[in-house]
Amino acid sequence: DAQLVESGGGLVQPGRSLRLSCAASGFIFNDYAVHWVRQVPGKGLEWVSGMSWDGSLIGYGDSVKGRFTISRDNAKRSLFLQMNSLRPEDTALYYCAKDTFGSGFQYMDVWGTGTTVTVSS
Amino acid sequence: QVVLTQSPSASASLGGSVKLTCTLSSGHTNYAIAWHQQQAEKGPRFLMKLNSDGTHIKGDGIPDRFSGSSSGAERYLTISSLQSEDEADYYCQTWGTGILFGGGTKLTVL
Repeated sequence: DAQLVESGGGLVQPGRSLRLSCAASGFIFNDYAVHWVRQVPGKGLEWVSGMSWDGSLIGYGDSVKGRFTISRDNAKRSLFLQMNSLRPEDTALYYCAKDTFGSGFQYMDVWGTGTTVTVSS
Repeated sequence: QVVLTQSPSASASLGGSVKLTCTLSSGHTNYAIAWHQQQAEKGPRFLMKLNSDGTHIKGDGIPDRFSGSSSGAERYLTISSLQSEDEADYYCQTWGTGILFGGGTKLTVL
């Protein structure tokens, strides 16, 4: 079965950085685009960033542009999110999700269980 | 920019059925969407992709009780023979230059 497992979350002070990782298994990772989606406790889903199978297409949500950087290592079947200049409003549960499409973005059909990021002094 | 609108809440009786709605903004009424379910304290789960003509592709293991339909700008998720585990948040999602989610509908099974 396809599976995504996030890691790297934690408590960090405002202005600092954090790097999230997502390990994929059970499917051909380098065939698909992948995304980061976050959820503030009690609120809805917010798309953070996505990357096509080869990295040629990258997108960011408006709230993280210029601060977050997505990357992937297909050889290691892994997705990453480098989060810089963190703000309290970045506090959320961060999910990794697999797209059904490779060269663009369509919809997610596999989700991870999430990793929690808390930004607080 | 497309916007997806969902009612914040819905309720239906155990064993009954419910129809949840996702409305596409003007000028985007031919968009396909996806429906995702999120049970309490769990990650989202893909239910189905729903096209503007009502055809849909369900995710692995999604019961026949879940079905989709479309009419104009409206995209529907119908759940029949409601079970307690269907109590969850339901999100519609579409795509353009990025990924967009509706605000979600919290379904209560009475």
